[in-house]
Amino acid sequence: RKEVEQDPGPFNVPEGATVAFNCTYSNSASQSFFWYRQDCRKEPKLLMSVYSSGNEDGRFTAQLNRASQYISLLIRDSKLSDSATYLCVVNTPNQGGKLIFGQGTELSVKP
Amino acid sequence: EAQVTQNPRYLITVTGKKLTVTCSQNMNHEYMSWYRQDPGLGLRQIYYSMNVEVTDKGDVPEGYKVSRKEKRNFPLILESPSPNQTSLYFCASRPHGETYEQYFGPGTRLTVT
Repeated sequence: RKEVEQDPGPFNVPEGATVAFNCTYSNSASQSFFWYRQDCRKEPKLLMSVYSSGNEDGRFTAQLNRASQYISLLIRDSKLSDSATYLCVVNTPNQGGKLIFGQGTELSVKP
Repeated sequence: EAQVTQNPRYLITVTGKKLTVTCSQNMNHEYMSWYRQDPGLGLRQIYYSMNVEVTDKGDVPEGYKVSRKEKRNFPLILESPSPNQTSLYFCASRPHGETYEQYFGPGTRLTVT
């Protein structure tokens, strides 16, 4: 079983749609959770951290369910500029807090 | 500007010809890593360093070496590159502590023929 699993997509949605990405992780000792965004073959960049109580940043909402070891990202009112690959990232409590990256979910927002 | 830089950005080389990819960060970060990214496999950590003179293997260290003589630099060395090392490589850095954002360099696209 992979340490971090995501649906690879692609998700093809029209502008204005709401889209949700899911991610599961295997290490129950993980403490830190993130969503990174990666544009085509460019470097990943932090989109948002994920907190236990859930958090929102504009059109983006992240949720964490520790019991189910599940993380989600909701994007409302999708824009063309949201087209990218979204990486679910989880830390490991050893190796200096190594980050484990999911394979990413590709999103394509169409006019 | 706070950043992680990598050079070269693109490299085509032949099997067995030693090469070094440089990585430098100007944020005084303790923790630095190298990753490779391949289709269907995602980002995999090659080596990491928690501070100067402290390096350790990641998930896919075979065929690679690193050094950390200065805090800002973390070069990746391929002593004898092989075609299976053709990949997109990212250097990254962050402060100590698991909640901090990790910053990535722009990537180095390596092709070994």
